[in-house]
Amino acid sequence: DAGVIQSPRHEVTEMGQEVTLRCKPISGHDYLFWYRQTMMRGLELLIYFNNNVPIDDSGMPEDRFSAKMPNASFSTLKIQPSEPRDSAVYFCASSLSGWNQPQHFGDGTRLSIL
Amino acid sequence: AQTVTQSQPEMSVQEAETVTLSCTYDTSENNYYLFWYKQPPSRQMILVIRQEAYKQQNATENRFSVNFQKAAKSFSLKISDSQLGDTAMYFCAFIYSNAGGTSYGKLTFGQGTILTVHP
Repeated sequence: DAGVIQSPRHEVTEMGQEVTLRCKPISGHDYLFWYRQTMMRGLELLIYFNNNVPIDDSGMPEDRFSAKMPNASFSTLKIQPSEPRDSAVYFCASSLSGWNQPQHFGDGTRLSIL
Repeated sequence: AQTVTQSQPEMSVQEAETVTLSCTYDTSENNYYLFWYKQPPSRQMILVIRQEAYKQQNATENRFSVNFQKAAKSFSLKISDSQLGDTAMYFCAFIYSNAGGTSYGKLTFGQGTILTVHP
């Protein structure tokens, strides 16, 4: 079975550029989560969707960050304009309905902002 | 607020031996789940094992087992017959359900423990 698929795996770009991270959840999963992992702050939940609708975006750091889920099989996390402090690994995860369902993670995107 | 603490930043073990990773958590909630995730150098986050708070029996998955002490709010992971492929960072994580549903999906992670298995 295909897992959560994220692209790109690595992204290096210059400060001020727009960055778009992509995620394809596991088919049949109706919850999708975006996380950020840094050495300083560990793993943080940024936003999550249920049936393509954003439910909680309280973890999104600032207005430069936005996320969309136009359909059940695709989501994007966009940073515009990007800053060096946005450098991190960004994970997408998906799960079935149910608060206690395990979340299945993608391989992450390592983002480096120069 | 819910917190998860992993007090061992790094641990090492010889291949084929047993190692235990510690995790404690703080919560006033009664309805919750605990998880251990493994993150190898390849970076992928892999679910290792999970424990339901209302179950007294400790969860087991092949060589991985937990020691869940609810009163002490402790959730340690035991890896038996360690293998080189177990080398990874291990994260303890917690999720709870509240009446308002505002906690949904909010996994709280510990800081992680780097485990190195030596040949």
